[in-house]
Amino acid sequence: DTGVSQDPRHKITKRGQNVTFRCDPISEHNRLYWYRQTLGQGPEFLTYFQNEAQLEKSRLLSDRFSAERPKGSFSTLEIQRTEQGDSAMYLCASSLLGQGGGYTFGSGTRLTVV
Amino acid sequence: GESVGLHLPTLSVQEGDNSIINCAYSNSASDYFIWYKQESGKGPQFIIDIRSNMDKRQGQRVTVLLNKTVKHLSLQIAATQPGDSAVYFCAENNLPGNTGKLIFGQGTTLQVKP
Repeated sequence: DTGVSQDPRHKITKRGQNVTFRCDPISEHNRLYWYRQTLGQGPEFLTYFQNEAQLEKSRLLSDRFSAERPKGSFSTLEIQRTEQGDSAMYLCASSLLGQGGGYTFGSGTRLTVV
Repeated sequence: GESVGLHLPTLSVQEGDNSIINCAYSNSASDYFIWYKQESGKGPQFIIDIRSNMDKRQGQRVTVLLNKTVKHLSLQIAATQPGDSAVYFCAENNLPGNTGKLIFGQGTTLQVKP
């Protein structure tokens, strides 16, 4: 297992288009998190899953955002009708419930909306 | 409200010196804290964590100190090396039931001068 993988690494899209990002967590991790990070800021929580259940969504996650984890393994984050304010790094992390050691983050997907 | 903040945006140290990065948190109910290191273009990397029932924890070249009385967290790096140059974030988990949602501070940039 090579850690948390995110795809794509970079995405440039025109305003109004839809984009989808994928996250493959560490295989034995049952929790998966999405964060958003803008330049010079710390990551902001968006949502998280325990297995396939989405347990919490931030108020930052407008109705244009949707996340899924259909089989409790990989997850997708879709942004519909992208806006320039959506430009950010989208980070995925995973962890094992009850185990210390923080989360393992992926390298992120850098989204630029033009 | 809930917030995690760092005292200084940038810390510059000489190679070989010890570094101390500080963090203040606002929620006295927070029970788990993590320090992350983030290099340019990468996701945050776990450094060390500490639970609220401890006031000190040591790792390899790093020590985290927790002062719950004043709600202060610090990361000490011994014999700082050029490879330690990065942005450092503290994060707290302050929600009941160990939901796993972390709140991050804005980060401190550590610059190591050769």
